[in-house]
Amino acid sequence: QVTLKESGPGILQPSQTLSLTCTFSGFSLSTYGMGVGWIRQPSGKGLEWLANIWWDDDKYYNPSLKNRLTISKDTSNNQAFLKITNVDTADTATYYCARIGLGRNYFDYWGQGVMVTVSS
Amino acid sequence: DIQMTQSPASLSASLGETVSIECLASEGISNDLAWYQQKSGKSPQLLIYAASRLQDGVPSRFSGSGSGTRYSLKISGMQPEDEADYFCQQSYKYPLTFGSGTKLEIK
Repeated sequence: QVTLKESGPGILQPSQTLSLTCTFSGFSLSTYGMGVGWIRQPSGKGLEWLANIWWDDDKYYNPSLKNRLTISKDTSNNQAFLKITNVDTADTATYYCARIGLGRNYFDYWGQGVMVTVSS
Repeated sequence: DIQMTQSPASLSASLGETVSIECLASEGISNDLAWYQQKSGKSPQLLIYAASRLQDGVPSRFSGSGSGTRYSLKISGMQPEDEADYFCQQSYKYPLTFGSGTKLEIK
């Protein structure tokens, strides 16, 4: 049974760094072809892809966030991480992590999401 | 970036009605397209991948089709539990991009 769960700070101030953790079970990020992605969704709006990390530590980022993103993983503890530097109110959203298990950037299992608010 | 233009933005359907949602990609995406369903307050769920392949556990009333730049999701026989937002996503090229969503309601 595949599960993912996001955790984060809840609220932070503009200019701070947002650190998110995705803790998963039911698969391994050391398995060939597996990946984890991060996607966010402002309240009432659409989905925005942020970053992917793959079993071989290959990483891809959304260039619209202008080098503010860092994705990483801890394979032995079944976790993936996302950092977003210099946040502002536009980063307020629900953040999801999701498994890429079908090998073609399709997100087949999603976490429940964690709401992050950026406010002074 | 590949732009995904999704239509309609919203629609309402009667129970048992067949509905279609479309996504138009700004360039060819070689069937690298997924459809997701998102119920209110929940995370998205994968329905269709590779344009037409049904994800395990998804009811057969959902189907996907298309090629090149045009893709569609069809629900054959609207059910109450199908009331949700639907999003397409291209997986052909980074950055991955989503359509703006379709809100499907029961009439």
